[in-house]
Formats: sequence, C-alpha cells, structure tokens
Amino acid sequence: EAQVTQNPRYLITVTGKKLTVTCSQNMNHEYMSWYRQDPGLGLRQIYYSMNVEVTDKGDVPEGYKVSRKEKRNFPLILESPSPNQTSLYFCASSLTGTGWTEAFFGQGTRLTVV
Amino acid sequence: RKEVEQDPGPFNVPEGATVAFNCTYSNSASQSFFWYRQDCRKEPKLLMSVYSSGNEDGRFTAQLNRASQYISLLIRDSKLSDSATYLCVVTLNTGGFKTIFGAGTRLFVKA
Repeated sequence: EAQVTQNPRYLITVTGKKLTVTCSQNMNHEYMSWYRQDPGLGLRQIYYSMNVEVTDKGDVPEGYKVSRKEKRNFPLILESPSPNQTSLYFCASSLTGTGWTEAFFGQGTRLTVV
Repeated sequence: RKEVEQDPGPFNVPEGATVAFNCTYSNSASQSFFWYRQDCRKEPKLLMSVYSSGNEDGRFTAQLNRASQYISLLIRDSKLSDSATYLCVVTLNTGGFKTIFGAGTRLFVKA
C-alpha cells in the first residue's frame, strides 16, 4: 500500500531533550516536506527536500533540522525542544515539487513539550 | 498580510445547499493551486487541482483567476459527509518549490 509513515504518533517530552520524528514513504517520491499545524494558523512548512541531499527552509525552520540521506526517509530533528514547538506535525511527499503533483500526508505526530 | 487567505468560517449549511469558498493569494509567482480537505484530527487529502480553465469533479467545481489572484471552490448539493475543513494550497517557485497553505475554511453540513 502506498503510504507515508510517521513515528511516533504521539509524543510528550521535556524542554531541551533532543528528539527525532521519523518519516518514510514507499512511493519513490522526490519531494518531501514537514509542516506544523497550529489552531488559526493552518499548516506552515518547516523544511522541504527536492531530492536526496537537497533540503531547504520553509516558512518556520527555526529550532528544527532535517536530513535526506535516502530518498524514502526525511526525519525531523528537534535538537532542544521548547514549549512553543508543541504542535501537530505532518510529513508529506509528492512525486516532484514542481507543478501539479498531489501531496500525500502521513497521519501526523502530536508533540507536546513541557 | 498572509500569503494565502481564506475565510475561516464556519459555514453552517443544510443538506442539499450550494456553498462557495474563496481564497486569495498574494504572490504573483505562484505556480500551481489546489484544494485539500482535512477531516478533524486527520491528515489533509487532495480534493482537486485548480486550473486556469476551471475544472469540475462531480459536485465540486474549482476556478482560478490569475489576474485577481483568486481561487474558488463550489460545492453543490452538500452532503453530511462534506463536513470538513477545506484548505487552499499554492506552490511557489522561489528557487526551490515552497508550498503555502491557507488556514482553512470549516464547513458543517446539517441534516
């Protein structure tokens, strides 16, 4: 089954404790991205990757890191989480980042930083 | 000003009604346009792409006006199952390709 898989689905952590949210897709998509969704603000793009070893900042990259060492995986790293990073996070992939390609989303990761 | 703006709603309509959502975008370099649907606490899913010529898929019609930087979605004969949040989405070529989401318009269809 074609899908985007995020883990974990739910996470409660403490301020400053490094964490990684994994994202994997099995559709051989080139483009992958991370979003956070907050009430009233919608989805905001954190980072995106056009292909392996090519990543770029979205609108809200501060406090986050990503890597794209393999085509299928695009982990999101919070080196020192803070309470303002409490949010619902979505990973997405699409065939390419250009033009009219559909984005497929993971089921989301609800992160709480206390 | 937000790059993609939508009326947040909520829109409360009876079954069978026709409802229209509007969206404006600020960057004239925007390249492609979409409507996504998001059910409560779930991931967004593509509803339809929006082409300059307009496009229709069953009860759903999407239109794009590049001159006015305006996108619309029309839902005819609303069903209870149409209740969801509708997200207007724009991609920008900024060297890379960014994707910008509107905050969404909430729709409640009631029996």
